[in-house]
Amino acid sequence: TQLLEQSPQFLSIQEGENLTVYCNSSSVFSSLQWYRQEPGEGPVLLVTVVTGGEVKKLKRLTFQFGDARKDSSLHITAAQTGDTGLYLCAGGSTSGTYKYIFGTGTRLKVLA
Amino acid sequence: DARVTQTPRDKVTEMGQEVTMRCQPILGHNTVFWYRQTMMQGLELLAYFRNRAPLDDSGMPKDRFSAEMPDATLATLKIQPSEPRDSAVYFCASARGSPFTDTQYFGPGTRLTVL
Repeated sequence: TQLLEQSPQFLSIQEGENLTVYCNSSSVFSSLQWYRQEPGEGPVLLVTVVTGGEVKKLKRLTFQFGDARKDSSLHITAAQTGDTGLYLCAGGSTSGTYKYIFGTGTRLKVLA
Repeated sequence: DARVTQTPRDKVTEMGQEVTMRCQPILGHNTVFWYRQTMMQGLELLAYFRNRAPLDDSGMPKDRFSAEMPDATLATLKIQPSEPRDSAVYFCASARGSPFTDTQYFGPGTRLTVL
């Protein structure tokens, strides 16, 4: 069974601090996405990475896909209160039947 | 601003009752997904359709759940009979084309409570 473990599970930091969220698996993924979900809403896609070692930046967010395409990280620089939410990684695998699984989630709270 | 819509937003029902959740995908999107989110299990893919045809429903309990797309603008998820363990938020998402590469856009979800 494919699993995507995220760490930490919960994170509470002060505005202005930096943080990193990790997404790990023992399986290889064809692509990996990061989403942010706010209360009462569905997840919203932040980024897709498809190449091992790929790094993408979205303003203060930096996403990296592991060389072996089994893990990923999300780094936020100078966190803002608007970054508060549930961060989910999700991986797609095309080996055999297409499978798409979500990570366990990291709940981030940024305090003013 | 095209969005996925879901109805109802909230549903409270009693065990044994039939529940139907509806989803209107974004116009022109050919792939539709159903997910379930709980605190314990997180977000799980239940089923997905491509051009209205079910491609994979292996994540769905077969005995009580059924998913259909009567037409390109409507996807339904039914639970009959419902059980308390079905309580969760059910999300629909749609994508323009391939589930492998195209962005999925999620609806706001239906919060189901089965008493």
